[in-house]
Amino acid sequence: QYVLTQPPSASGTPGQRVTISCSGSSSNIGSNYVYWYQQLPGTAPKLVIYRNNQRPSGVPDRFSGSKSGTSASLAISGLRSEDEADYYCAAWDDSLTGVFGTGTKVTVL
Amino acid sequence: EVQLLESGGGLVQPGGSLRLSCAASGFTFSNHDMSWVRQAPGKGLEWVSGISYSGETIYYADSVKGRFTLSRDNSKSTLYLQMNSLRAEDTAIYYCTKSQFTSGWFDYWGQGTLVTVSS
Repeated sequence: QYVLTQPPSASGTPGQRVTISCSGSSSNIGSNYVYWYQQLPGTAPKLVIYRNNQRPSGVPDRFSGSKSGTSASLAISGLRSEDEADYYCAAWDDSLTGVFGTGTKVTVL
Repeated sequence: EVQLLESGGGLVQPGGSLRLSCAASGFTFSNHDMSWVRQAPGKGLEWVSGISYSGETIYYADSVKGRFTLSRDNSKSTLYLQMNSLRAEDTAIYYCTKSQFTSGWFDYWGQGTLVTVSS
């Protein structure tokens, strides 16, 4: 079951900024860190943001994350063709389960 | 280099069992929590289960609780997922992940192993 809600799709032209939202509740996003994953077609997911707004080494600084209350966002600035992928948010829920978002497909026009 | 190699997937009939394994290398396995995440065909990611580095604490998604059992052998750097009473809705790619326990932090993923439950 998906506890975190994301828009099904987002798009932009090369160079534009795209923002993806992730809406949860007080038991998950509201009280725990948020993480973001990029999944290119046919591959395993890859961590792009951890602890709300931190980038792992090797992830371009075009990717940024933020959190406010029970919602979080992932922004991709300077959009590039290789950013075309599915993106998922994730968090821990105080009911002692991990939860993922519904996923957002980003298309580069 | 961190490597996670899953095995044990395949075709099984409803009600059947499978045991997935995940062989880890490139890091000190016994110092790290681990988790399984699955993805049904054409669907999103679903957290399945997580285990602490010592194996003392384990959590399960409601959808698999009572049917799946997660365990680890730190001497063999291997993670296991015993899946019983399998249902059609368990059909998915199962990913082994190095994770931080009780968080959404999965920093390394295996390539996944496909489990198909069908008669």
